[in-house]
Amino acid sequence: DIQMTQSPSSLSASIGDRVIITCRASQGIANFLNWYQHKPGIAPKLLIYGASSLYRGVPSRFSGSGSGTDFTLTISSLQPEDSATYFCQQSFSNYVHTFGGGTKVEI
Amino acid sequence: QVQLQESGPGLVKPSQTLSLTCTASGGSITSGNYYWSWIRQPAGKRLEWIGRIYSSGSTNYNPSLKSRVTISIDTSKNQVALTLTSVTATDTAVYYCARGEYTTGWLNWFDSWGPGTQVTVSS
Repeated sequence: DIQMTQSPSSLSASIGDRVIITCRASQGIANFLNWYQHKPGIAPKLLIYGASSLYRGVPSRFSGSGSGTDFTLTISSLQPEDSATYFCQQSFSNYVHTFGGGTKVEI
Repeated sequence: QVQLQESGPGLVKPSQTLSLTCTASGGSITSGNYYWSWIRQPAGKRLEWIGRIYSSGSTNYNPSLKSRVTISIDTSKNQVALTLTSVTATDTAVYYCARGEYTTGWLNWFDSWGPGTQVTVSS
């Protein structure tokens, strides 16, 4: 399976801060990388698909970049409602999708 | 936007079969370039993809679970079902259903998720 290593596992930041989360794949996955936001007890939400495409309705302060093995999710100006866990997911492997371990963002 | 809701027993005895249902509302499970997946997350661990089904009935399963998993689709009820046989404590997790959207180039992502349902395996 393709292993996804996400860092950091948690972070604390202030309102207005720029936050960067990274995800590294154990092998090249082109741009088959997606990012999600998850708050306890509710359904995870898609933020970024195809490594850099912003999903409809997602605020523009969220952005994604990268290709191959190294990817980043950036929150340009952290807002109170961004307190959540963020995780990456590779969809390159047609038979087993794998996920990063998650990054808990606290404000 | 389709809404997904998982349902099923919250407690299953060891060696028995876990059965869950995912009901889709606000959209047909047969329309568009979509597939339907089950994903789980044991407490303190990362998400694990279980498998997927297309509206045609074609399936793919995680090899680590393939011998015990069946995913099926009921288009008349707009539901997707998961069965997992011979469960043990390691199958205790929050189980999610999710809709996968894909492009012609097979770029794909989960655009809708259910809130998840906790399943505990214990006697």
